[in-house]
Amino acid sequence: NAGVTQTPKFQVLKTGQSMTLQCAQDMNHEYMSWYRQDPGMGLRLIHYSVGAGITDQGEVPNGYNVSRSTTEDFPLRLLSAAPSQTSVYFCASSRQGHEQFFGPGTRLTVL
Amino acid sequence: LAKTTQPISMDSYEGQEVNITCSHNNIATNDYITWYQQFPSQGPRFIIQGYKTKVTNEVASLFIPADRKSSTLSLPRVSLSDTAVYYCLVGVYNNNDMRFGAGTRLTVKP
Repeated sequence: NAGVTQTPKFQVLKTGQSMTLQCAQDMNHEYMSWYRQDPGMGLRLIHYSVGAGITDQGEVPNGYNVSRSTTEDFPLRLLSAAPSQTSVYFCASSRQGHEQFFGPGTRLTVL
Repeated sequence: LAKTTQPISMDSYEGQEVNITCSHNNIATNDYITWYQQFPSQGPRFIIQGYKTKVTNEVASLFIPADRKSSTLSLPRVSLSDTAVYYCLVGVYNNNDMRFGAGTRLTVKP
């Protein structure tokens, strides 16, 4: 199993550009989440999904959209990138009531 | 929301036992306590989870007193490779109230 995969590993955007961060898991997990981690800080929950077709907002959802059309994929869309969205983004998946498995992260810089 | 408080940093030496305590005074009845480890440039990795009393696995123990208002992660005989940030989380899994705090930065010295 590949576990949780994220692409790209690195990305540089200009203010106002849009992009999609990809996340996929091959463990048939119902739950998937997106977090952001700013330097020296803990992870903050952006959006999460408890199954295909179901998404909900986390702690810091503004400026981000998600969809969950399949169990495997949970893309995160930045609608109009801002410098404040410069961060490392982690995707995670889990079975209900069990530990989360995290991807390797995407390092995003917005100029 | 179940908020957690941990020490910002701790130092230890190889071979010692390390105990990291997390305070969670407003823990709810349905909440579990979960600990993660994070190395630089990597995603967090699950260490241990518990609800009450004591839980032990091959890498750590988790001690939870009867009132559940705190918990202690115990790492036996740490090595240099245990240098990492350790996060305590409280909540029902993947609910909106799951929060990573700032974590405890553990430095293990030779």
